[in-house]
Amino acid sequence: DTGVSQNPRHKITKRGQNVTFRCDPISEHNRLYWYRQTLGQGPEFLTYFQNEAQLEKSRLLSDRFSAERPKGSFSTLEIQRTEQGDSAMYLCASSLTPVEKLFFGSGTQLSVL
Amino acid sequence: GQQVMQIPQYQHVQEGEDFTTYCNSSTTLSNIQWYKQRPGGHPVFLIQLVKSGEVKKQKRLTFQFGEAKKNSSLHITATQTTDVGTYFCAGPRSGSARQLTFGSGTQLTVLP
Repeated sequence: DTGVSQNPRHKITKRGQNVTFRCDPISEHNRLYWYRQTLGQGPEFLTYFQNEAQLEKSRLLSDRFSAERPKGSFSTLEIQRTEQGDSAMYLCASSLTPVEKLFFGSGTQLSVL
Repeated sequence: GQQVMQIPQYQHVQEGEDFTTYCNSSTTLSNIQWYKQRPGGHPVFLIQLVKSGEVKKQKRLTFQFGEAKKNSSLHITATQTTDVGTYFCAGPRSGSARQLTFGSGTQLTVLP
C-alpha cells in the first residue's frame, strides 16, 4: 500500500492559464474522488469516478473544470482559464467502498496570481 | 441543502486536559465519519459510525453517534501534543451515495 499519490505538490500559475493535476490512487481502489479545500474549511466535493466512469460532479463545478480517469487507474484534473478564486488545495482520495473510509493524497496546492 | 456544522471552530487546551468537538447535520445520516488533518497535512480517516447511539473508542478517543443519527461527538481524554490538528466530521450527502459532506472542522491546539 503506497498510498494516494498526487503531483505536483505545488503549482503557481498566472490567471488565464490552464493547469493539470495528476492523482494515482491506491491500486486496488476503484473509486476515486476529487475534493477542493480552502483555508479554514473542510474538503468540498468536486467529482467522483468508479473505475473509468465519472458518475457524479458537483453542481458547483464550473465548466472550466474537467476530470478524467481514462483506464480506471490514475486520474487528471484540468482547470482551464484559471481565476484567482481557483486558488486552493486540490485533494484526491480513493476508497474500496463508496463514500466510506476515504484515503486522501497530500494534495496539490494551487496559487493563481 | 445539507449542512454539517461543527463546534467549536477553535479549541486551545493545556496538555492533559480533555477536549470535545461536536458535529450536527441538518439531515439524518446513514453514517458519520471522522478525519484528522495535521497542520500542513491531508485528512486521515479515523473512524466510521453507522448505528444509532453507537459509541466507539480508540485509545483516548471516544466517538459517539446520536440516537437520531443527526449528530456526533469526538472526545479526547488527557490530550497530548500529538493530538494537535483539525478534526472533521463527514457524512454522505443527502440524495447521493457518492459525496461526503465535510464539516468545517475544529482546530485543536495543545499547549505543553
